[in-house]
Amino acid sequence: QKEVEQDPGPLSVPEGAIVSLNCTYSNSAFQYFMWYRQYSRKGPELLMYTYSSGNKEDGRFTAQVDKSSKYISLFIRDSQPSDSATYLCALTLGDGGYNKLIFGAGTRLAVHP
Amino acid sequence: DVKVTQSSRYLVKRTGEKVFLECVQDMDHENMFWYRQDPGLGLRLIYFSYDVKMKEKGDIPEGYSVSREKKERFSLILESASTNQTSMYLCASSLRTGGVYNSPLHFGNGTRLTVT
Repeated sequence: QKEVEQDPGPLSVPEGAIVSLNCTYSNSAFQYFMWYRQYSRKGPELLMYTYSSGNKEDGRFTAQVDKSSKYISLFIRDSQPSDSATYLCALTLGDGGYNKLIFGAGTRLAVHP
Repeated sequence: DVKVTQSSRYLVKRTGEKVFLECVQDMDHENMFWYRQDPGLGLRLIYFSYDVKMKEKGDIPEGYSVSREKKERFSLILESASTNQTSMYLCASSLRTGGVYNSPLHFGNGTRLTVT
């Protein structure tokens, strides 16, 4: 079983839709949860991170962690064509060590006008 | 703004060739990393370095080596390229302290290597 599972998509939505991107994980020891965004022909960039359970909001983006279900989500409100990218979840243990950072395979999102 | 530059965007090499992938960062970051990205597998850590002349194996180091002679430069070496090393290679850097959440990884734009 993979440590992190992420539906690869592609997910195609109309502009203005609410988008939900998800990852499930198997190791309950994961403490920090991140979302990276990767535009075509570019490297990933950190979008948001959360610690432990709960929600974190940043503009149109909300990251949510449910540790009891081992499930993390990224919601995008009022999606825009500029949100079209691949979104990767990334998880790490409590010490935040870079060598223990586990990435999901990424979900490709296309927002069409 | 942090810039991580990978020397080649596309590279085509033959089986058995020795291949060098170069990465330079301009923000005086202590940490540097090499990942490969494959469809369905996500990013997997090959090697990383926390200081000059220092290297640590990641999750998939077999068939690779690295060199870090200067703080800003981290090279990935494929001693004898094989077809299963065809992939997208991503270099990243970060500050030493703070962990992955406070000192996030800054990635280059990748080198797509094809081994024929």
